[in-house]
Amino acid sequence: DTAVSQTPKYLVTQMGNDKSIKCEQNLGHDTMYWYKQDSKKFLKIMFSYNNKELIINETVPNRFSPKSPDKAHLNLHINSLELGDSAVYFCASSNQGTYGYTFGSGTRLTVV
Amino acid sequence: EDKVVQSPLSLVVHEGDTVTLNCSYEVTNFRSLLWYKQEKKAPTFLFMLTSSGIEKKSGRLSSILDKKELFSILNITATQTGDSAVYLCAVDPNTGGFKTIFGAGTRLFVKA
Repeated sequence: DTAVSQTPKYLVTQMGNDKSIKCEQNLGHDTMYWYKQDSKKFLKIMFSYNNKELIINETVPNRFSPKSPDKAHLNLHINSLELGDSAVYFCASSNQGTYGYTFGSGTRLTVV
Repeated sequence: EDKVVQSPLSLVVHEGDTVTLNCSYEVTNFRSLLWYKQEKKAPTFLFMLTSSGIEKKSGRLSSILDKKELFSILNITATQTGDSAVYLCAVDPNTGGFKTIFGAGTRLFVKA
């Protein structure tokens, strides 16, 4: 029973396309995140949501729009994809006030 | 700007060796420091440290924090090939866990 699941695992798409990545957690956590990991393995926060409310938006281009329909889901929609968007995108969850995220297995996005 | 710096960036050892991974940080309002292990996919949580001088231990892994000198070390004794991974250090700058800042990681390779 997967704790944090992301779909799809791999995504190859052309520049200019729009794509979505979905994330669901069944841990009962109240906070969810999107992180981007570049080719040098740097994990950078993009968004944090607590109880469906946006808490952190870390200077991410407007082409990235997260949506949290409920506490268990946090989706990421990306418009007009660019080559520089190629990376692994990780969803994670935790409970506010506790530390140590549970990460999903990542979505490897390749823009060609 | 808040930052986390890890060293070395990569390390190759033989099975049975002991390794020490370093993490230094500069953040405002430090709350906690975390260590993660990342093998092929998702990072998995190892330790959270909040107080100086108190060692956290799990099997052959141990970690300690020095809040005065702003660093932490992760020790792995009697290394095994299964310890090969990227070890990530992360710091929460007192945002309630909403914005954890990650270092670039140390890539450890343990030779049989």
